[in-house]
Amino acid sequence: DIQMTQSPTSLAASVGESVTITCLASEDIYGSLVWYQQKPGKSPQLLIYGATILEDGIPSRFSGSGSDTQYSLKINSLQPEDFASYYCQNGLSTPWTFGGGTKLELK
Amino acid sequence: EIQLQESGPGLVKPSQSLSLTCSVTGYTITSGYDWSWIRKFPGNKMEWMGYISYSGSTNYNPSLKSRISITRDTSKNQFFLQLNSVTTEDTATYYCARSLIGMDAWGQGASVTVSS
Repeated sequence: DIQMTQSPTSLAASVGESVTITCLASEDIYGSLVWYQQKPGKSPQLLIYGATILEDGIPSRFSGSGSDTQYSLKINSLQPEDFASYYCQNGLSTPWTFGGGTKLELK
Repeated sequence: EIQLQESGPGLVKPSQSLSLTCSVTGYTITSGYDWSWIRKFPGNKMEWMGYISYSGSTNYNPSLKSRISITRDTSKNQFFLQLNSVTTEDTATYYCARSLIGMDAWGQGASVTVSS
């Protein structure tokens, strides 16, 4: 199985700041990286697929980058609704595997 | 607009089977995509359990392969999860989702506790 390691596990920031979350795959996943946002009591929401492609309706302050084994999610100009948990997922091969999550909290 | 909704018992006894239904509206499950089950454990670890494709083929996580079955009822536009021989470690929130490149539509989740 491809192991996905996310960092940091938690992050505190203020509205208006920018943050970056990273995801490291245990092997090359050729850009097949997916990012989700999950708010408490809600189901995950697809943000980015193919490492860089924004899902329809997702604000442009979210962006993804990376290749091979290293990927990042950047959120510019944090808004109050962005404080949530974020997960990366290996989309290359089954079993699809998730990172451990990053909880983004308000400072 | 596609909507998915999980249903099933919230409490299952150890050694019994867990059965959940995912009802899909707004999209026909035989039209395309894979239809997945994913679970989130207390402590937030997420695990993809498996899927049934639009054609009816299945793909399971090897970690569950001996215990899991995903089936469907195309007349009702539903798909199902059965997990056998459950233990307390199967306590989780279970989600169904539409999947292809990522999972782009999810149910609201069904909390299942395994306890005697």
